[in-house]
Formats: sequence, C-alpha cells, structure tokens
Amino acid sequence: GAVVSQHPSWVICKSGTSVKIECRSLDFQATTMFWYRQFPKQSLMLMATSNEGSKATYEQGVEKDKFLINHASLTLSTLTVTSAHPEDSSFYICSARVAGGPEYEQYFGPGTRLTVT
Amino acid sequence: GDSVTQMEGPVTLSEEAFLTINCTYTATGYPSLFWYVQYPGEGLQLLLKATKADDKGSNKGFEATYRKETTSFHLEKGSVQVSDSAVYFCALRYGTSYGKLTFGQGTILTVHP
Repeated sequence: GAVVSQHPSWVICKSGTSVKIECRSLDFQATTMFWYRQFPKQSLMLMATSNEGSKATYEQGVEKDKFLINHASLTLSTLTVTSAHPEDSSFYICSARVAGGPEYEQYFGPGTRLTVT
Repeated sequence: GDSVTQMEGPVTLSEEAFLTINCTYTATGYPSLFWYVQYPGEGLQLLLKATKADDKGSNKGFEATYRKETTSFHLEKGSVQVSDSAVYFCALRYGTSYGKLTFGQGTILTVHP
C-alpha cells in the first residue's frame, strides 16, 4: 500500500532556532500534500495545503512566514518552523494525495513530535 | 463553520464487546463523511467512508451510516478485538475542497483480553 514517511519522528530544539520536517511519499507521486497540527486530546487542524511546484495555501490564522512549506517534487514536501517558540511544540502530521486519484484517497505520515525548549 | 464532534474518550472495552463511537457534524452543505483509525506509531488510515445520506460505509467489521436528519455518522462494531485498540477520528470533506478534511478530536479505544 501507499506509504508516507516523516522525518524526524521527534525533535527537540531551542527557542529561536529553526527546524525542518520532511514528508515523503515512498511509493507514489503526490501532487498535493497537507500539513496538520495536533494538540494533545484535540483534533488535527489543517495548517496548509501544498501543491507541487506552487506556493502553499495556508489556513486562516496560520503564519506563513513562520511555517514555511516547500513542495519541490512529487514525493517530497517540507515544513520549516522558523524562530521556534515553546508554543510551537506540537505533533505535526502530513498527508499526501495520490496524483490522479480520487480526492478522498490520501495517506498520512506517522507524525513528528516537536518540542521547543 | 464546519465542525465534527466525537464522543469523549477514552473508551475501554473487553474483547467481543459491542462498540459505538458517536460522531456528529455541523456543515452548511452535504459533505462526505469518513472514519480514520490511527494505530500506535502509525499514520492515520482510512477505515470507511460514506458520500451521501443513508450510505453505509463498512470495513473490517466496522460500520457507520450517514444520517442527514440527525447529522450523525456513528461508528459501530459488533465484537471488538484487542487489535482494534487505536485512536479513531471522524472527519468530513466537501467534494470541491481538494481533499481538505475537518477532523473530530479523536477517541481512544482500548480493548482488553
């Protein structure tokens, strides 16, 4: 089946530094990838939608200059949290939509736990 | 705006017990409805879906029926197994939203032998 990986699975960084999270579709091409944020005991909140080769579309309230998203290829999207602060600590999840597939057919990565100290 | 509300967990059951996880939604139109499952250490997986009113989605012994009159999509299974222990998410999506999903908060299910 379709597999989406995320790297790293967990990361600890100091306040003020930047951290990059990778999302890869391992055995399929993904024209669209989604980035979600999940707080403890809360639902996944969509942060942004990225399409290969174009700028990401951010949800209302998400700072695009803080959460930089790049979707440079059909198998890789990256989320960079710039100038991280403790309130950015969260679980970040990506999903990838199969190119040419039905809209509901998207596959999720296992998530990345970010802790900012 | 659109939203999904799930019953609060965690839910703890004995093996072979009957499972119901409630899900209700608020939407302005007629969305598609989904249940996703997340096993420990893994990504969310689509469990079942329904695209219109009165549709029943089913998979792996789980069922859910799209009830427009009660705006609900409750998940049921007649006899749970230990391997069903996971987090379950209810979600909705509109056909024109390029796959954008709105999730409920998730319900943790633990099944004991």
